[in-house]
Amino acid sequence: GAGVSQTPSNKVTEKGKYVELRCDPISGHTALYWYRQSLGQGPEFLIYFQGTGAADDSGLPNDRFFAVRPEGSVSTLKIQRTERGDSAVYLCASSLLGRTSPLHFGNGTRLTVT
Amino acid sequence: DQQVKQNSPSLSVQEGRISILNCDYTNSMFDYFLWYKKYPAEGPTFLISISSIKDKNEDGRFTVFLNKSAKHLSLHIVPSQPGDSAVYFCAASAQAGNNRKLIWGLGTSLAVNP
Repeated sequence: GAGVSQTPSNKVTEKGKYVELRCDPISGHTALYWYRQSLGQGPEFLIYFQGTGAADDSGLPNDRFFAVRPEGSVSTLKIQRTERGDSAVYLCASSLLGRTSPLHFGNGTRLTVT
Repeated sequence: DQQVKQNSPSLSVQEGRISILNCDYTNSMFDYFLWYKKYPAEGPTFLISISSIKDKNEDGRFTVFLNKSAKHLSLHIVPSQPGDSAVYFCAASAQAGNNRKLIWGLGTSLAVNP
């Protein structure tokens, strides 16, 4: 079956521009997560959705970052006024509800801010 | 400060031998631990997990051991195969309902030589 799909796979943007990153989770997965991974680091939690609502957005670094999941399926991570420090791989994952349900990750979007 | 530490950035073993990857944690509230495997340009893939009420969990060639008093866990791969060559991440979570806000280590790059 289809896994988690993230588009685009690569995005190069200029400093100060706005970007949107899309995540299409596995069908039926209620929980959706965004993580960010910088070079040489482990993934860093950004935000968690349970259905349509953001149950925990404590990992968003500042108010330039925002994410939505209006119909409880596809999610979009939005970054305003991008900075070079935003360059990273942005990973989306989905899972069934329940703490022991493993996260299924997409291949990520590599964002480069020049 | 790293709450989840993988002190060996890399490990090299011969095909057929045992691979042992180590992970230490500092937060005593962590009660669920996972290992993920990551190939280049792909998202992490779930391997195996363990709850803090257990000290061992086995799945085929993969076994995870947990020593709560030492705040240490390890992943054993026996026998190691060249296809196991990847970056392995240790991750942990604390009890928080359905929120799977995982805290990740920096990863250990495993090379299995034919």
